[in-house]
Amino acid sequence: SYELTQPPSVSVSPGQTASITCSGDKLGHKFASWFQQKPGQSPVLVIYQDTKRPSGIPERFSGSNSGNTATLTISGTRAMDEADYYCQAWDSSTVVFGGGTKLTVL
Amino acid sequence: EVQLVESGGDLIQPGGSLRLSCAASGFTFSSYSMNWVRQAPGKGLEWVSYISSRSSSMYYADSVKGRFTISRDDAKNSLYLQMNSLRAEDTAVYYCVREVAEVPAANYMDVWGKGTTVTVSS
Repeated sequence: SYELTQPPSVSVSPGQTASITCSGDKLGHKFASWFQQKPGQSPVLVIYQDTKRPSGIPERFSGSNSGNTATLTISGTRAMDEADYYCQAWDSSTVVFGGGTKLTVL
Repeated sequence: EVQLVESGGDLIQPGGSLRLSCAASGFTFSSYSMNWVRQAPGKGLEWVSYISSRSSSMYYADSVKGRFTISRDDAKNSLYLQMNSLRAEDTAVYYCVREVAEVPAANYMDVWGKGTTVTVSS
């Protein structure tokens, strides 16, 4: 079965750039989405179709996808961005989520 | 306002059955595909099932195949998940999630409900 691999944790200082990776076989041939989940809340879509931001998502969130890796980049990271982040893609009539990355802003 | 409200979660014994519901409002429900996604306590997101608009396609995760059934009633703007032969590992918050299908293979999930909790324990 298809798998998406994320680092369990990423740390970043306020104002700096955070990059969260998501790896999967030929992931660049699929479309990737990214979700943000804060404690006790439902996930929120922050990037879809690799690079697009839904309405209301700040411009500091961006995405890319090439080869075997999709990347979520948060520029000028703020304390409010501290959360769990999940990548997701479709593979052969199955939805696959990455294991999630805890972003710590310290 | 686009809204998804799940209900039906409960404490249930292993081997039991439960039916989850999701009431949709604020959009044309019949035009969208829908998913169930679950999250076990302290764990990540796990996709459970998908149903296309007009119920033409249904897909399931291997972990629930043969035990869970997804369905929808477009007249009632509602999504359902019938869960049978429940196991302890099915314990999770179950989210109802809207899916946008603009072009083939470019689907994405854009709206999530608040979830309903299923606890399978004796």
